[in-house]
Order: sequence, then C-alpha cells, then structure tokens
Amino acid sequence: SYVLTQPPSVSVAPGQTARITCGGNNIGIKSVHWYQQKPGQAPVQVVYDDSARPSGIPERFSGSNSGNTATLTISRVEAGDEADYYCQVWDNSSDHPDVVFGGGTKLTVL
Amino acid sequence: QVQLVESGGGVVQPGRSLRLSCAASGFTFSSYGMHWVRQAPGKGLEWVAVASYDGSDKYFADSVKGRFTISRDNSKNTLYLQMNSLRTEDTAVYFCAKGGGGFCSGGSCYRFDSWGQGTLVTVSS
Repeated sequence: SYVLTQPPSVSVAPGQTARITCGGNNIGIKSVHWYQQKPGQAPVQVVYDDSARPSGIPERFSGSNSGNTATLTISRVEAGDEADYYCQVWDNSSDHPDVVFGGGTKLTVL
Repeated sequence: QVQLVESGGGVVQPGRSLRLSCAASGFTFSSYGMHWVRQAPGKGLEWVAVASYDGSDKYFADSVKGRFTISRDNSKNTLYLQMNSLRTEDTAVYFCAKGGGGFCSGGSCYRFDSWGQGTLVTVSS
C-alpha cells in the first residue's frame, strides 16, 4: 500500500517560515490535502488539492507538490500555529479506493 | 455552517458491538460522501470507511473490513457506523468527516473539508 512519510517534528521561531514535508512515491501526480490538529480538537483542513486554501484559512498557509515530495509552508509563523499537521492522499493502487495519512508532524513554535 | 455531531461512543468489551451516529446540518447532506476517521490515543489519523452520497458505494479500510459497516439515512441527515467483533485495537476517537464530493469512486470525495468533534470508543475487558 501507499506510504506517506512526514518528519515527526519541526521547530520554528515566531515570524519565521515553517516547511513541513510529506514524502511519497511519485506523490506529484496525486492530490495532497493537509490538516491541522490542535490538542483535544478535531482536524481542520488547511490546504486541499496540493495548493488550494479553504475559506477562512489565512494566506500564510500554502502548499506545493512535485516529484516525490509535497510541502506545506506556513509563513510568518504565530504561536497559534503550534499543532500537529497531517498530509493525506487518495490511493487507487489496490482493488478499492483507500485513504492514506502521513504519520503527522508536530510543529513547535519556539 | 457545516455541523457534524457524533454520538454513541462508550466502553465496550472485546467481541461486542457498538453503533455510532453522526448528525449533520448546515449543508445538503444527500449530495456528499461521508467518512469515518479514527485516532487511537496519542496516535495519528486512520481512515475507516466511506459512504457515497446515496449510500450505494461503500469502502472500508482493510483493518475493519468484514467487521464494520457504514450506512446513511439521508431523510434524517445522519451517518452511521456499525462496529461488530470489536477489538482492543479499535480503541480510538471516531470522527465523522464530510467529503468534498458525492461520488466516491475517487477524487474530491476523498478530501475532508469538515469534521465533527469525535466520540471516544474504548474496547476493554
């Protein structure tokens, strides 16, 4: 089955740029979605279809996807961005649709 | 706005059954695929199952296939997850999530644009 690999943790100072990667075999041909999850809360979609932003999500959140790596970029990081971030794709390599999540990345704002 | 409210969680012994419900409002429920996604304590997200807009297409993760069934009642705007033969490894918070489209053979159905707050299922003797 398809595997998505994320770094367990990323740390960044306030005001700087955080980049969270999501690696997968030829992931560039798939649509990648990103979710933010704060402790005790439900996930929230922050980027869909590689780089589209849902309404209400700040422009500081952006995404890209090429080759074997998708990236979520958070510009001008704020304390409130501290959370777990998950990438996700739909996979059709088996005989039925499947959903794959990355293992998650904990973003720490220093 | 979209609201999804799960219910039905609780403590259950291994081998027993439980049914979860997800009441939806704020959107045309009958037009969208709906999912269940779970999260074991301290772990990441795991997709469980999907039902297409009319319930005609249903798909499951290998980990629950043959034990869990998904259904929906579009007249009541409610999604269900029937969980049978529960195992300790099924212990998790179960979220319902709205897909981005209605047809679930692929594509936009498989992005989750709204989530409920979740209901905790604990399988323990």
